[in-house]
Amino acid sequence: GAVVSQHPSRVICKSGTSVKIECRSLDFQATTMFWYRQFPKQSLMLMATSNEGSKATYEQGVEKDKFLINHASLTLSTLTVTSAHPEDSSFYICSARPTSGGAWETQYFGPGTRLLVL
Amino acid sequence: QKEVEQDPGPLSVPEGAIVSLNCTYSNSAFQYFMWYRQYSRKGPELLMYTYSSGNKEDGRFTAQVDKSSKYISLFIRDSQPSDSATYLCAMSVVAGGTSYGKLTFGQGTILTVHP
Repeated sequence: GAVVSQHPSRVICKSGTSVKIECRSLDFQATTMFWYRQFPKQSLMLMATSNEGSKATYEQGVEKDKFLINHASLTLSTLTVTSAHPEDSSFYICSARPTSGGAWETQYFGPGTRLLVL
Repeated sequence: QKEVEQDPGPLSVPEGAIVSLNCTYSNSAFQYFMWYRQYSRKGPELLMYTYSSGNKEDGRFTAQVDKSSKYISLFIRDSQPSDSATYLCAMSVVAGGTSYGKLTFGQGTILTVHP
């Protein structure tokens, strides 16, 4: 089956530092990847849509200069939380949509990255 | 008002019970409807998806969509302890036959099936 990995699975950092989260599609190519944020006992909120080779599209209210997204290849997208603050602490989940094969609406989710900013 | 409303529960049922999970939505443009299962501290796993109104069955799971009422349901028959998880409904808009892929999720319902 289609597998999406995320690294790291959890990270603790000091306020003001930057954190990079990787999302990889392991056995398929993904032209489009999505980044979500999930606060405790709340639903997933789409942050941005990442397209290989082009700029990401951010949802309203998401600061593109704070959450930098790079989709440099068909199997890798990265999310960098710049100058992280405690309010950025959350569960960040990526999903990847296969470039070919399967229904178009299929998205495979990664296991998530838990970020804690002290 | 949220675009998608889902009762967060928690819902606790005995093993073997029939579980009914529901979502309502306000955006009439939604045409693709999905149900995801999420175990604690894990990413969501797609269970079922349906297009427009109607029913779809897959093993012990049945998904129903009533677009006239803007209401979707997921039924789980013969529930098992391994079904214990958070169930999320999700929806997307289809435009020109191609979805933008953006999913709008419900809050999720926490389900516990006890032996």
